[in-house]
Amino acid sequence: YVLTQPPSVSVAPGETARATCGGNNIGSKSVNWYRHKPGQAPVLVMFYDSDRPSGIPERFSGSNSDNTATLTISRVEAGDEADYYCQVWDSGSDQWVFGGGTKLTVL
Amino acid sequence: DVQLVESGGGLVKPGESLRLSCAASGFTFNSYTMNWVRQAPGKGLEWVSSVSTGGTYVYYGDSVKGRFTISRDNSKNSIYLEVDSLRVEDTAVYYCARDPGAGNYLDYWGQGILVTVSS
Repeated sequence: YVLTQPPSVSVAPGETARATCGGNNIGSKSVNWYRHKPGQAPVLVMFYDSDRPSGIPERFSGSNSDNTATLTISRVEAGDEADYYCQVWDSGSDQWVFGGGTKLTVL
Repeated sequence: DVQLVESGGGLVKPGESLRLSCAASGFTFNSYTMNWVRQAPGKGLEWVSSVSTGGTYVYYGDSVKGRFTISRDNSKNSIYLEVDSLRVEDTAVYYCARDPGAGNYLDYWGQGILVTVSS
């Protein structure tokens, strides 16, 4: 199973950033999202498509339908700059699959 | 607080072996599926392996199947990754991460340990 993410997204502070994750009928799977900054451990920012872990601001939201899942970050801040990865469990192969990651740049 | 601390990394030559460890604390260890995930230099995250709560069920990514072996010792709150026949392309930071179910999500991650494979 393959997940496809655009390599980069750039937005100005205060704008809305959207990271997409494409996969065949991904809407039938649960999608998780992770934020990864250089030298740090990855952080779960969204699970089960649209659930936020405690400590993740309401500015983060998620959706998943048909062949595309989307992580939306509203009112983007400089501290949101990071690589964002989508992930699904592929029950056909019993493997976790990560997308290639999207680098969010805050202009 | 939940803590996951990896150890055992270092510089090894191609074809050699290594044993990575991850010590867990701050939660009921035997209730969680545990995972290894790696990131090669300049690359994205790649899932490596998972082990079920009791250690019975193990899963591997295609690139490591047959060379890596995951295990856990619930009496020591630890998981391990035996990495054999190392290749240059196995050079990466290796993270351990916990999953509250099986195939749910990875809610806590360690800081990672670097494995460098070079002649």
